[in-house]
Amino acid sequence: ETGVTQSPTHLIKTRGQQVTLRCSSQSGHNTVSWYQQALGQGPQFIFQYYREEENGRGNFPPRFSGLQFPNYSSELNVNALELDDSALYLCASSFSGPGEKLFFGSGTQLSVL
Amino acid sequence: AQSVTQPDIHITVSEGASLELRCNYSYGATPYLFWYVQSPGQGLQLLLKYFSGDTLVQGIKGFEAEFKRSQSSFNLRKPSVHWSDAAEYFCAVGAPSGSARQLTFGSGTQLTVLP
Repeated sequence: ETGVTQSPTHLIKTRGQQVTLRCSSQSGHNTVSWYQQALGQGPQFIFQYYREEENGRGNFPPRFSGLQFPNYSSELNVNALELDDSALYLCASSFSGPGEKLFFGSGTQLSVL
Repeated sequence: AQSVTQPDIHITVSEGASLELRCNYSYGATPYLFWYVQSPGQGLQLLLKYFSGDTLVQGIKGFEAEFKRSQSSFNLRKPSVHWSDAAEYFCAVGAPSGSARQLTFGSGTQLTVLP
């Protein structure tokens, strides 16, 4: 049990729709990262937020966006869904500092039809 | 750019046997190195990490890993595997000069344990 919760656990959307995924960080953590894990692959870094500002981004298009709220919960928004967006989306929280560790949630499984 | 290679897609061992999962990384300096485990439908659990110092790192559940700079490797080992160890294992690398939160993962090794 990591203390990081994600909702919903499963989601089905159709191509072209928009989706919002939510993450509640572990208490005391001020940083959140989002990862996309396609079937049979390792997670890929999407972006991270620190104190409500995006401060790192992987190789994902602008239709992937996010928010971090004052209580350090977070959202991942994906616009204009494509079939290839079908994946497990993982949220990870941490407390910024040397040697910090990521604590992952169980993920949201998104299926785009 | 940093990268991680896990050469073994799938490994099968008998319960009680020893285990070694291979991980090779590409990075310009000494990176932060991690091993995570993922059970079906679950998120990632950190087994162990290497930041600096002793190159043999002990982790949870009886796992250990050894950092070998000359071979750019960070292999995971366990002397005696339990049936509950069946899962997918991911090696990851992070940049110490930037954020340890930005991890690059390998594609994983699926471990099957035979009774």
